[in-house]
Amino acid sequence: SQTIHQWPATLVQPVGSPLSLECTVEGTSNPNLYWYRQAAGRGLQLLFYSVGIGQISSEVPQNLSASRPQDRQFILSSKKLLLSDSGFYLCAWSVGGMWTGYTFGSGTRLTVV
Amino acid sequence: AQSVTQLDSHVSVSEGTPVLLRCNYSSSYSPSLFWYVQHPNKGLQLLLKYTSAATLVKGINGFEAEFKKSETSFHLTKPSAHMSDAAEYFCVVSDDGSARQLTFGSGTQLTVLP
Repeated sequence: SQTIHQWPATLVQPVGSPLSLECTVEGTSNPNLYWYRQAAGRGLQLLFYSVGIGQISSEVPQNLSASRPQDRQFILSSKKLLLSDSGFYLCAWSVGGMWTGYTFGSGTRLTVV
Repeated sequence: AQSVTQLDSHVSVSEGTPVLLRCNYSSSYSPSLFWYVQHPNKGLQLLLKYTSAATLVKGINGFEAEFKKSETSFHLTKPSAHMSDAAEYFCVVSDDGSARQLTFGSGTQLTVLP
């Protein structure tokens, strides 16, 4: 069966430090992969999505970047964190571009101090 | 353009009483609609989805939702709340079913009182 792993679960980082969050999917090939952010008291915002290795689309301009070095690996990064980067980050996958219901990872709670 | 409004940011019910979480949407097309549940520090779990089939959709854990086009609503209900239902619930709309065209509501926090 397909599973999605996301780590770390929680992270506290100082302003200006780098960030690397990793997401891997098992049990499927060539998935579409997504990074979402959920700020406190707000709904989810799509940050990046990827339809294949090395193919990244950014939905909103920001301090973050994403990479997909392998078919089932999706990484969210930042060179210098801002306070506003705090939030709950969720990775998700789907098969193809049509959404019938994502499978989401368990999320990473990032607090920038 | 599409949008979704969850009318209540917080809902409290007593265990064993009915649950109603309200969601209104706007969409230029025939939308796909979804409800997700999120327990603290956990990912999102799909409860149910409407994709232009039956207007009354049954989901997991006893939840169901009714798509009412005339009212542009997709309210989530459950006949009898359980303590384990306490979580945050998100209504989601997609105009064309595309994975890129999703809009999440701001969420409703459900509290279940003993």
